[in-house]
Amino acid sequence: QVHLVQSGPEVKKPGASVKVSCKVSGFTFTNFGISWLRQAPGQGLEWMGWISAYDGNTNFAQKFQGRVTLTTDTSTTTAYMEMRTLRSDDTAVYYCASLSAGGDFDYWGQGTLVTVSS
Amino acid sequence: EIVMTQSPATLSVSPGERATLFCRTSQSVRGNLAWYQQRPGQAPRLLIYDASTRASGIPTRFSGSGSGTEFTLTISSLQSEDFAVFYCQHYNSWPPTWTFGQGTKVEI
Repeated sequence: QVHLVQSGPEVKKPGASVKVSCKVSGFTFTNFGISWLRQAPGQGLEWMGWISAYDGNTNFAQKFQGRVTLTTDTSTTTAYMEMRTLRSDDTAVYYCASLSAGGDFDYWGQGTLVTVSS
Repeated sequence: EIVMTQSPATLSVSPGERATLFCRTSQSVRGNLAWYQQRPGQAPRLLIYDASTRASGIPTRFSGSGSGTEFTLTISSLQSEDFAVFYCQHYNSWPPTWTFGQGTKVEI
């Protein structure tokens, strides 16, 4: 059984950083990639970036390039997403999702609400 | 960058009726398209990949079709648990990027 379990909700002030974790179990972590997505309140899904758990290769949507860092820890089969210089419009539910061989998101974390407010 | 356009934005249907959702891409994606369902307060769930293949455990009332730039998700007989928002998504293999449509809300 595949599970992706994310860390709990966060409240941050503008300008701060946040780091969200995604603990993966039920499949060989290094065989697949992990993507991070977000969903602002009442809005659609937005892909942020991808990391290969095999070699650490990453790719980002242009708007997140330079402000988001993705990492993995193969010893604990955990993926991390860190976002810096938070703004109020970064308030959203952040999801991690595992990738099928075909590149689709077949398993999802439960989501982590990040609230940015002064 | 490929732009995904879903229609309609909202679809009002009754239980037992058929629902047809559309997704158009700004350039051909061949058959590389997926559909997701998102119920309120839940993470999305993969329904269809490769335009027409149902994901594991997805009921047969969900079907996908299309290729190139025009795609359709059909729910043959809506059940109460099917009322949700549905998203289409394209995956570009290299560099790996993913693009979503803006969603179609299926409501009673």
